[in-house]
Amino acid sequence: EIVLTQSPGTLSLSPGERATLSCRASQSVSAAYLAWHQHKPGQAPRLLIYGASSRAAGIPDRFSGSGSGTDFTLTISRLEPEDFAVYYCQQYGSSLITFGQGTRLEIK
Amino acid sequence: EVQLLESGGGLVQPGGSLRLSCAASGFTFSSYAMNWVRQAPGKGLERVSGISGSGDITYYADSVKGRFTISRDNSNNTLYLQMSGLRAEDTAVYYCAKGTLPHCSGGGCYPIDYWGQGTLVTVSS
Repeated sequence: EIVLTQSPGTLSLSPGERATLSCRASQSVSAAYLAWHQHKPGQAPRLLIYGASSRAAGIPDRFSGSGSGTDFTLTISRLEPEDFAVYYCQQYGSSLITFGQGTRLEIK
Repeated sequence: EVQLLESGGGLVQPGGSLRLSCAASGFTFSSYAMNWVRQAPGKGLERVSGISGSGDITYYADSVKGRFTISRDNSNNTLYLQMSGLRAEDTAVYYCAKGTLPHCSGGGCYPIDYWGQGTLVTVSS
């Protein structure tokens, strides 16, 4: 099973700032099969990024993903008020889907 | 528009049973794998079970194997999770989640592209 470790656990930033979230895998994720999801309280989670760097339909271009192997990054270029949420990475490069423990992005 | 609507959650005593349902719409249900993913209080996401589009391939996390059964009714676009032998550690919000492919393969699985809003299961005496 591939274990995903996200850092930091909590990130405190202000609207307009740049956010950088990290997801590290315990072994290489084949074909960059890594996704990012956004989750707001009381709402359904939402897919942001798949294939490490491809934005899902309707996702603003301030969200970008990068990385390969064991190290992946989600970047939000300029934070909007609606971006404050919990973000999870998900790997699907093996037959076992796993998630990271999440990064909480909070307003500073 | 893809919609996933879970139901069936509630309060149940340890050792009890519960059946969750997920009504799907807005896509060709039988063409896609479906999953149940849960989030325990203060914890991250855990995929507890998955099923292929045709229903012939299933997956269970070790934590629920032998106690939970996933199934689907492709004629009624509904996903189910039959839970028995419930334990306090099964307390969580359970999400229905759609995959982007009919099934996983040796070369990998799929990202989840749509989620329901979740149903709360509380196991307590």
